[in-house]
Amino acid sequence: GQQLNQSPQSMFIQEGEDVSMNCTSSSIFNTWLWYKQDPGEGPVLLIALYKAGELTSNGRLTAQFGTTRKDSFLNISASIPSDVGIYFCAGGSSNTGKLIFGQGTTLQVKP
Amino acid sequence: EAGVTQSPTHLIKTRGQQATLRCSPISGHTSVYWYQQALGLGLQFLLWYDEGEERNRGNFPPRFSGRQFPNYSSELNVNALELEDSALYLCASSHRTMNTEAFFGQGTRLTVV
Repeated sequence: GQQLNQSPQSMFIQEGEDVSMNCTSSSIFNTWLWYKQDPGEGPVLLIALYKAGELTSNGRLTAQFGTTRKDSFLNISASIPSDVGIYFCAGGSSNTGKLIFGQGTTLQVKP
Repeated sequence: EAGVTQSPTHLIKTRGQQATLRCSPISGHTSVYWYQQALGLGLQFLLWYDEGEERNRGNFPPRFSGRQFPNYSSELNVNALELEDSALYLCASSHRTMNTEAFFGQGTRLTVV
């Protein structure tokens, strides 16, 4: 079945540092999404990407839809303590309505 | 505008019982999705409903079922509960024309004892 490989699995960084995480897939998706999940909460949509090569920003977050449609990355600049959480990538296909999720990247920020 | 709401937030059931979880989508959204998030296993797709019809189903046994009502709210039913059904069950909704941009609720934590 379809799988997403998300890396790194976890990161422990100093406040103010930039962060980068990525997802790769063996399958093509026509949508890539990035979510953040805090403990005990549902995932919150951060960025949605719809076109190969698309680069989109949301505040300090920047994400790109890979040109092969099989990968995506998320960058967080100048990290702050509230960035702590688990970040998930997800690939979607409109004809299935199904999102395939990566395993998540746990981010910890040291003040 | 209210987001996706789920009830109950926590549910404790005994093995063999049935559980019913409820979801109200964002106003204007016609598609509802259910995902299971078991500890250490990530989010797994369960079901997709749109306009009252089941559109797609994940790799789960038939004892996982659901329905969507005319107001687009949805129920997930899990019959003959097993211990491994313990998980966070997440509902998401989307607009019909943007059906891969899904917004999630806070989830229902189901514990089977």
